[in-house]
Amino acid sequence: DVKVTQSSRYLVKRTGEKVFLECVQDMDHENMFWYRQDPGLGLRLIYFSYDVKMKEKGDIPEGYSVSREKKERFSLILESASTNQTSMYLCASSLAGGETQYFGPGTRLLVL
Amino acid sequence: EDQVTQSPEALRLQEGESSSLNCSYTVSGLRGLFWYRQDPGKGPEFLFTLYSAGEEKEKERLKATLTKKESFLHITAPKPEDSATYLCAVQNQAGTALIFGKGTTLSVSS
Repeated sequence: DVKVTQSSRYLVKRTGEKVFLECVQDMDHENMFWYRQDPGLGLRLIYFSYDVKMKEKGDIPEGYSVSREKKERFSLILESASTNQTSMYLCASSLAGGETQYFGPGTRLLVL
Repeated sequence: EDQVTQSPEALRLQEGESSSLNCSYTVSGLRGLFWYRQDPGKGPEFLFTLYSAGEEKEKERLKATLTKKESFLHITAPKPEDSATYLCAVQNQAGTALIFGKGTTLSVSS
């Protein structure tokens, strides 16, 4: 079974803090993705990576950065958290030539 | 622009009352259409991938079908444990990312 894990299920942070969200997959997948999910807006792609040290912007990259130093790990960084970044953050992974993405359990982030 | 629209937004069924969820899409060359199930507070769980018009896939009480413009997720004799949000997504030939619809929230009461 594909396993995607995220470092935290719930996080509470203050405005202006630097926030790190970690994602690890154990299936040797090349592609990894970060989405945020908000009521009424659905899932929106923030960034994705198709290889170590490679990254591509998604639909809403503003205010976020990512890091992929190892194949199995993909980090999402909020440089200076703001209240409009309160959301559910979902990590996913897939094979390089595969289409199906497998999701982690999500991190619910509250920025006060 | 690639787009996915799901209907209805919410659906309430009685246990055993069969129904269908709709996913309409426009995409520049379909590479795959995906159905996921999402329980409250959890990540989406993969259900099916469909690749070409006429294809069908089944899993327990769920059956997914695909035409050139839409997909249906048929739920036969649903049970309360089928209550969840069902998400549809497409991938075009050029891209890696999925384009998601906003989902249909299904509630099945006993």
